[in-house]
Amino acid sequence: AQTVTQSQPEMSVQEAETVTLSCTYDTSESDYYLFWYKQPPSRQMILVIRQEAYKQQNATENRFSVNFQKAAKSFSLKISDSQLGDAAMYFCAIYNTGNQFYFGTGTSLTVIP
Amino acid sequence: GAGVSQSPRYKVAKRGQDVALRCDPISGHVSLFWYQQALGQGPEFLTYFQNEAQLDKSGLPSDRFFAERPEGSVSTLKIQRTQQEDSAVYLCASSLGLRVPNSPLHFGNGTRLTVT
Repeated sequence: AQTVTQSQPEMSVQEAETVTLSCTYDTSESDYYLFWYKQPPSRQMILVIRQEAYKQQNATENRFSVNFQKAAKSFSLKISDSQLGDAAMYFCAIYNTGNQFYFGTGTSLTVIP
Repeated sequence: GAGVSQSPRYKVAKRGQDVALRCDPISGHVSLFWYQQALGQGPEFLTYFQNEAQLDKSGLPSDRFFAERPEGSVSTLKIQRTQQEDSAVYLCASSLGLRVPNSPLHFGNGTRLTVT
């Protein structure tokens, strides 16, 4: 079984500051991928960043980066230089060989001008 | 179209009614997924198609839920005799290839179903 836990239902950050969203997961598989998705009010899920479990190097996409701690099964998302457009629900997800995603319950991010 | 299109965007049904939700994936996309997202929750897997073949329907919550993709493009999720617990956003996603990590998943805007 796969589980994803996001322990922060809500987070806020001042514009231009940095915020970190937490995610822990559990899986018995050795081959898996981790993702962060953003869901604005339009409801469309948008891929933010992904990490292959076999890669030790943390993924980075512009202002978004992850801290992947495989042994601790932790996968946090860091957003640098936060912008108003970053405000949304953020979902952490694990994808395994069964071709299924398992999502966490989400973190609502507010960006304060 | 440019993206995954879902219709209707909103649907209100009285308990016991049947509903049909439509998903138009990106043209040429082989894989198609349906997810159910209850209020305040993350999306939960319902079913997966590879072209017209339904390869996994393990997430469908009951036999009242039925999905099809007869020609390998448009998909319909049908819910019979709707119940209040069926109220949720239903998301459709498609990808070009067979394996998501090698082929990004594109989501639609979902259909919000409210059962009264």
